Amino acid sequence: DSGVTQTPKHLITATGQRVTLRCSPRSGDLSVYWYQQSLDQGLQFLIQYYNGEERAKGNILERFSAQQFPDLHSELNLSSLELGDSALYFCASSGGERGGREETQYFGPGTRLLVL
Amino acid sequence: EDQVTQSPEALRLQEGESSSLNCSYTVSGLRGLFWYRQDPGKGPEFLFTLYSAGEEKEKERLKATLTKKESFLHITAPKPEDSATYLCAAAPPGFQKLVFGTGTRLLVSP
Repeated sequence: DSGVTQTPKHLITATGQRVTLRCSPRSGDLSVYWYQQSLDQGLQFLIQYYNGEERAKGNILERFSAQQFPDLHSELNLSSLELGDSALYFCASSGGERGGREETQYFGPGTRLLVL
Repeated sequence: EDQVTQSPEALRLQEGESSSLNCSYTVSGLRGLFWYRQDPGKGPEFLFTLYSAGEEKEKERLKATLTKKESFLHITAPKPEDSATYLCAAAPPGFQKLVFGTGTRLLVSP
């Protein structure tokens, strides 16, 4: 158990809908990362938050947005869903924005999204 | 563009048959090289971090090594419970994201 929690575990919805995925980082971790994993691609970095502020953006679509709240949990909002958005969405957390060395990211169990 | 390539895509071993997984990376100013294990439907589980060429780390039957262009994950006398997908990820400079390879699916038969 990494200490990172994600809800829900599974989500089935229809095209055009909007969903919210939730992540709670490990106790004490300030950084939260979101990744997407689809069958034909590896893990793709979406976005990073550090202590409530957006720090880095990857291949995140404009239909997707995220935020990190004062209690450090994070939510990933996916809107106008398309069939191609079906994937596993993982949240990871680490201790800080930048340490002396690259900090290890610990991953949650993921949310499996199926768009029908 | 930062890139991580893993080979082979899939590997089938007999129990006790040692082998190595390869991870090649093209990342300027690498800040760290990570190995994760992922079981089907689960999140990646952290195994190792390597920071500089020549560094080695071991954990049970696994040993990770790093050169300036690639990393290897050596599996000694594997057991069926080592069956999983092994992911390699590189951390480029500038900000904290990980660039992942597509993984090696390892199957160890008894």
